[in-house]
Amino acid sequence: QKEVEQNSGPLSVPEGAIASLNCTYSDRGSQSFFWYRQYSGKSPELIMFIYSNGDKEDGRFTAQLNKASQYVSLLIRDSQPSDSATYLCAVIPALIQGAQKLVFGQGTRLTINP
Amino acid sequence: DTGVSQDPRHKITKRGQNVTFRCDPISEHNRLYWYRQTLGQGPEFLTYFQNEAQLEKSRLLSDRFSAERPKGSFSTLEIQRTEQGDSAMYLCASSIPGIREKLFFGSGTQLSVL
Repeated sequence: QKEVEQNSGPLSVPEGAIASLNCTYSDRGSQSFFWYRQYSGKSPELIMFIYSNGDKEDGRFTAQLNKASQYVSLLIRDSQPSDSATYLCAVIPALIQGAQKLVFGQGTRLTINP
Repeated sequence: DTGVSQDPRHKITKRGQNVTFRCDPISEHNRLYWYRQTLGQGPEFLTYFQNEAQLEKSRLLSDRFSAERPKGSFSTLEIQRTEQGDSAMYLCASSIPGIREKLFFGSGTQLSVL
């Protein structure tokens, strides 16, 4: 089982609709959860982070975390063509001997259709 | 520019040659990471430093790979005797360590081994 799993897509959403991206993780002790956006040929850009169960909103983006289900999601409201990118879910697993590192899913490719 | 800087942006080399990449982290960040990303996959952890100490190396990192961070500032990643399978985007990220750690990525070095 992969540590962080995402549906690779592609996910196609009409402009103005809500895009919903999902991620599951295997380490129940994970503490920190991140969403990165990556445009083709570019490096990942941090867009959201969440540490506690529930929802966290930032502009058009909402991150949702459910630690009991080991599930984290990203909602993008009023989707724009500029939101077309690959979205990477990343998790910091439980602290083991002082080592912490970000573990990424394979990413979900999102296309917003005008 | 106060972001993470990587050099070069692109590198084309012949199989068997050695290559070296450089990363300059955000100045107040004492943790530095190297990741590798191939097409359609999320970034994979290679190694990380806290100040000048290399704290962890992934099993992905063969003996042909070496990383240094002298004086805890910039870092270099060297690949000796390159192979075609080394072709990837090499990403550097920096952070301030802690339970709320966030990684910020540089623009990456795209390596092509012919």
